[in-house]
Amino acid sequence: AQSVTQPDIHITVSEGASLELRCNYSYGATPYLFWYVQSPGQGLQLLLKYFSGDTLVQGIKGFEAEFKRSQSSFNLRKPSVHWSDAAEYFCAVGPNSGYSTLTFGKGTMLLVSP
Amino acid sequence: GAGVSQSPSNKVTEKGKDVELRCDPISGHTALYWYRQSLGQGLEFLIYFQGNSAPDKSGLPSDRFSAERTGGSVSTLTIQRTQQEDSAVYLCASSSYREAFFGQGTRLTVV
Repeated sequence: AQSVTQPDIHITVSEGASLELRCNYSYGATPYLFWYVQSPGQGLQLLLKYFSGDTLVQGIKGFEAEFKRSQSSFNLRKPSVHWSDAAEYFCAVGPNSGYSTLTFGKGTMLLVSP
Repeated sequence: GAGVSQSPSNKVTEKGKDVELRCDPISGHTALYWYRQSLGQGLEFLIYFQGNSAPDKSGLPSDRFSAERTGGSVSTLTIQRTQQEDSAVYLCASSSYREAFFGQGTRLTVV
């Protein structure tokens, strides 16, 4: 069965500092990988996705993520965090063939300090 | 529509009552998902519809939960005899190919 682990429940970063949110997945083959962001009271918005090809993917709002097969990881990064980035971030995994559900991690809450 | 629409946005119900939550997916999307989001629990998969295939109901927590999707479009999630532990945000998503688009959710509070 597929699973996603986001080891950090909360992370606090100073505004302007760099950010890395960790995501590890368990899946029997090459998965499709996603990062979503959820602001308070809002639905989930897709930040970026990895299907195949270049393992470094660029997303919206200046985010990027790197797929590392050997580490089963798909960590999210941003070089300089803005106060508006404070939100909850979810990593998700889905199968790369056929149709099936997405499995989500429990999320990482990002707090941005001035 | 432009996005996934869920209604109501908030619902307060008394324990033991039935509730219906509605999801209008993006037009043309063949897949529709329901997830439940409880505090600190991430997103819990409930049910998945794909085209005309039989839905994947493996995530429904009990037989009090059911869902249908009429005409391959609108979906309704029904919770019968609600319990306090059903209080959560219920999220609907639709997709055409892998990428899922989420609605704003319905916050259900059972009192």
